[in-house]
Amino acid sequence: KAGVTQTPRYLIKTRGQQVTLSCSPISGHRSVSWYQQTPGQGLQFLFEYFSETQRNKGNFPGRFSGRQFSNSRSEMNVSTLELGDSALYLCASSLVAGLDGYTFGSGTRLTVV
Amino acid sequence: GENVEQHPSTLSVQEGDSAVIKCTYSDSASNYFPWYKQELGKGPQLIIDIRSNVGEKKDQRIAVTLNKTAKHFSLHITETQPEDSAVYFCAATAFGNEKLTFGTGTRLTIIP
Repeated sequence: KAGVTQTPRYLIKTRGQQVTLSCSPISGHRSVSWYQQTPGQGLQFLFEYFSETQRNKGNFPGRFSGRQFSNSRSEMNVSTLELGDSALYLCASSLVAGLDGYTFGSGTRLTVV
Repeated sequence: GENVEQHPSTLSVQEGDSAVIKCTYSDSASNYFPWYKQELGKGPQLIIDIRSNVGEKKDQRIAVTLNKTAKHFSLHITETQPEDSAVYFCAATAFGNEKLTFGTGTRLTIIP
């Protein structure tokens, strides 16, 4: 079966711009989580969506937001980009979060210049 | 909140030898502990997981042990092969939490 698909794979943006990243979960998976991965902070939880509702949010500023559509696809948005937002953004899907394994996509590498 | 510590940060072993990576967690409510392998340019891949109602789980050359009393769990890889070279992450969460807390990762290098 198809895995978790994230688009685009690479992105270069300028400080102050905004960006939208997309994630298509495994068919049938209703939970979608987002993580930020950096060399300094490791893997950090951004937020989780289930049936279009955000159920949990990590410790990130309000510039980071997300949403989930009725087909379970999810997007995350970062506004007013800062250099420190450069990271690998990973999406993970699960049938029901916490009850089974999370499958990660290959991520979107965002570079802010 | 949950805090997961992982050791060592780097590990080099001869091909064919065993590798052990250890993690400790702080939240006694955590009851699901997955291990992920991340290769260059890829997302983390789930390789094995364990729930708090069992003490050990094995899948071919990979095994995970859990000590709930001491709040630590370990990944054991036997008969290591060059393709085992990667970064390994442990994580912890509780059912209904929706959030994985990750360790800081172990870079495993298998020396041919």
